Amino acid sequence: DTEVTQTPKHLVMGMTNKKSLKCEQHMGHRAMYWYKQKAKKPPELMFVYSYEKLSINESVPSRFSPECPNSSLLNLHLHALQPEDSALYLCASSHEPGQGFYEQFFGPGTRLTVL
Amino acid sequence: SQQGEEDPQALSIQEGENATMNCSYKTSINNLQWYRQNSGRGLVHLILIRSNEREKHSGRLRVTLDTSKKSSSLLITASRAADTASYFCATDARYGNNRLAFGKGNQVVVIP
Repeated sequence: DTEVTQTPKHLVMGMTNKKSLKCEQHMGHRAMYWYKQKAKKPPELMFVYSYEKLSINESVPSRFSPECPNSSLLNLHLHALQPEDSALYLCASSHEPGQGFYEQFFGPGTRLTVL
Repeated sequence: SQQGEEDPQALSIQEGENATMNCSYKTSINNLQWYRQNSGRGLVHLILIRSNEREKHSGRLRVTLDTSKKSSSLLITASRAADTASYFCATDARYGNNRLAFGKGNQVVVIP
């Protein structure tokens, strides 16, 4: 299985809502990532988990809260978002960091709209 | 300065023609990768070239890397309508350790 799955595909939420994005991979990858991508722009790294521990937080506002319950799952909890947070949120995974550089496998993304 | 910053291009070509896009970066790299993204979907890894490699082929793809000029090019030969996508290069130079910096991307439209 060389697939990264993300749910939901689309999400519309109000600024007072709490929602979660989910990501799953079964490739045995120990590094997982969250990216944010605005239209016609490249992906921007948000968070990196390595061996289920948060290793990189790119100064992301606290209204985004990542969680890695186990090596296959990655969540992004959303609370009190702003309309400018509307974007495509991409999850990715790769082999162990520091063991040579490996390609990242991306999920199809969650299209988030904040009203 | 942004790593993996390719020339911002929008290419429109006829099916069967070749498409070439470029990527430049500013500091030393370990690897450079190219990814494809179809309209609003996830990215798909195309090819990785290591800093000690100069050229690499994969099917209809040809990637070159010139570390002296800090640049890379991606050539797609005999393009197909299905090649219509955005193409991003990404480097690990700035952050290292599996942390990618993506360039601005090139939009390629292949007209059937």
